Amino acid sequence: AQTVTQSQPEMSVQEAETVTLSCTYDTSESDYYLFWYKQPPSRQMILVIRQEAYKQQNATENRFSVNFQKAAKSFSLKISDSQLGDPAMYFCAYRSARGVVQGAQKLVFGQGTRLTINP
Amino acid sequence: EAGVTQFPSHSVIEKGQTVTLRCDPISGHDNLYWYRRVMGKEIKFLLHFVKESKQDESGMPNNRFLAERTGGTYSTLKVQPAELEDSGVYFCASQPGLAGKRQETQYFGPGTRLLVL
Repeated sequence: AQTVTQSQPEMSVQEAETVTLSCTYDTSESDYYLFWYKQPPSRQMILVIRQEAYKQQNATENRFSVNFQKAAKSFSLKISDSQLGDPAMYFCAYRSARGVVQGAQKLVFGQGTRLTINP
Repeated sequence: EAGVTQFPSHSVIEKGQTVTLRCDPISGHDNLYWYRRVMGKEIKFLLHFVKESKQDESGMPNNRFLAERTGGTYSTLKVQPAELEDSGVYFCASQPGLAGKRQETQYFGPGTRLLVL
């Protein structure tokens, strides 16, 4: 079974600075997806960024980028120019790419990292 | 386009009572998922519907939990009787049909916070 580990329960960053959230995972599969989701306080969880394992290029979405190290099974999220709207729980998640095989579509989450911003 | 909605947003019940959670997915999404986050722990998968059929219910903790999706639209998750360890946040997510598409995203609702006293 796949597992996802986020070793940082809490992180803090100064406004306008850069922060990196760590995520490692364990799988025997070669094709899969990795995600970072963000859940602001009292709001719903939204997708921040997505990476396909077969793509070597790291995904980027505006101020958010990932460092995907497939051999090391590491998938960290870098938030640049941190803003007051960034505080949230950040969840790293894994999903198999085995198509419609039973059980393949579910997301496997890490424990989450709570990010706070210092103005 | 309306997002995934869940009702109620909060529920406080006593041990032994019954609670029913509801999820309305994004219109037209065939796939509906239930997840749960127990305090301080990771979000865990409960089950997956494709239209009205249960595709995967391997994450359901026990037979006190019953999920339905009549007509392939909204879904309910009933806990009967509730126990203390059922407390947590229950998330619902929906996703378009997967046929031929690799990159479908799951869209989450705001969750229902359940507290069993």
